[in-house]
Amino acid sequence: EVQLVQSGAEVKKPGESLRISCKGSGYNFTNYWISWVRQMPGKGLEWMGRIDPSDSHTNYSPSFQGHVTISADKSISTAYLQWSSLKASDTAMYYCARLFWNGFQNYFDYWGQGTLVTVSS
Amino acid sequence: EIVLTQSPGTLSLSPGERATLSCRASQSVSSSYLAWYQQKPGQAPRLLIYGASSRATGIPDRFSGSGSGTDFTLAISRLEPEDFAVYYCQQYGGSPLWTFGQGTKVEIK
Repeated sequence: EVQLVQSGAEVKKPGESLRISCKGSGYNFTNYWISWVRQMPGKGLEWMGRIDPSDSHTNYSPSFQGHVTISADKSISTAYLQWSSLKASDTAMYYCARLFWNGFQNYFDYWGQGTLVTVSS
Repeated sequence: EIVLTQSPGTLSLSPGERATLSCRASQSVSSSYLAWYQQKPGQAPRLLIYGASSRATGIPDRFSGSGSGTDFTLAISRLEPEDFAVYYCQQYGGSPLWTFGQGTKVEIK
């Protein structure tokens, strides 16, 4: 069974750093890209960026470039989303999602359960 | 950036009724890269439709997708109680690589 299991909820202060994780199981982790998606309270879904776990190549949405870092450790089938200096506006639910791509279609077929990040002084 | 605009924002219907949700793109999107997701409160999104019209594994046949170019539709033929949720369309292409519509909430009338 394919599963993406994310790390637990976090409460942080502005300016603090944070790394959240997404562990894949039930499939070959290096065969599928992982994306991160933000959902601010009461709002819609925003694609943040993606990583190819096989070579750690990344792409970011211009809206998030420079503010977050996506990485992966293929030896433990885990992707990460990291902030060096959190802002209150980073308060949101963050989802990881596996990208299925067969060359002519792509879509997010499996999702993690979400990690709630709360940033407050 | 390819902007996806979903309408209506909220759809108020009764169980058993038909729901028709629209997703309009600011420029042409390949049907191969258009997907729909369902999200219930407190849950992660779930893939419903990919390639504009193909149902994902385990999705009932009351869900159907159609469209091409800039206009896409998700239809739910007969609403079941578990179908009341928020629905998002999503496309691949341009910058950012993937974008979502703002969502349509299907609520019980």
